[in-house]
Amino acid sequence: EAGVTQFPSHSVIEKGQTVTLRCDPISGHDNLYWYRRVMGKEIKFLLHFVKESKQDESGMPNNRFLAERTGGTYSTLKVQPAELEDSGVYFCASSQDLRLLGQGQETQYFGPGTRLLVL
Amino acid sequence: RKEVEQDPGPFNVPEGATVAFNCTYSNSASQSFFWYRQDCRKEPKLLMSVYSSGNEDGRFTAQLNRASQYISLLIRDSKLSDSATYLCVSGYSTLTFGKGTMLLVSP
Repeated sequence: EAGVTQFPSHSVIEKGQTVTLRCDPISGHDNLYWYRRVMGKEIKFLLHFVKESKQDESGMPNNRFLAERTGGTYSTLKVQPAELEDSGVYFCASSQDLRLLGQGQETQYFGPGTRLLVL
Repeated sequence: RKEVEQDPGPFNVPEGATVAFNCTYSNSASQSFFWYRQDCRKEPKLLMSVYSSGNEDGRFTAQLNRASQYISLLIRDSKLSDSATYLCVSGYSTLTFGKGTMLLVSP
């Protein structure tokens, strides 16, 4: 079974440009998460989709970031316009919703990340 | 104060050694805890969940002390392949990560 995939693996752009990151979760996983690791800092939560709906976007840094998950499958995260401090590794993770099965816990599987460098 | 704090290390140990990592968390309402492993330039991967009763998976033992709000990971008989960064994580749905503790196991 394919894991979480992310595209591109690396992106180098200039300040002010736009970048769109893509995440394909594991097939059948309703939950999709975006996280970011800025150099020297811990991995931080950005937002959470349940199917196509935004469940929690409290971690989004500002309105230059826009995430979508049309159709509840893959997700995109657009940064427009990019700033220097947006550089980092953007991880996507997905999980099943096991609450329906009474287990109440979801293992999150992470993608390999997109390394973004804004110059 | 960080929500999840870890000693960044690195911990340098010889093969076969036993090594322990601790982590503290600030949110007393946190219910779920995990240890993730992250290899250099790779994604985090779940190593094990942490339960109040303590749990063991082969050479790895995890403990949770709710009264003191700390979590531990014990690795016995270290292998070269255990070299990685170990991330302490709390959260039920959205995850809160520590910065990680680097472990280097040498021959």
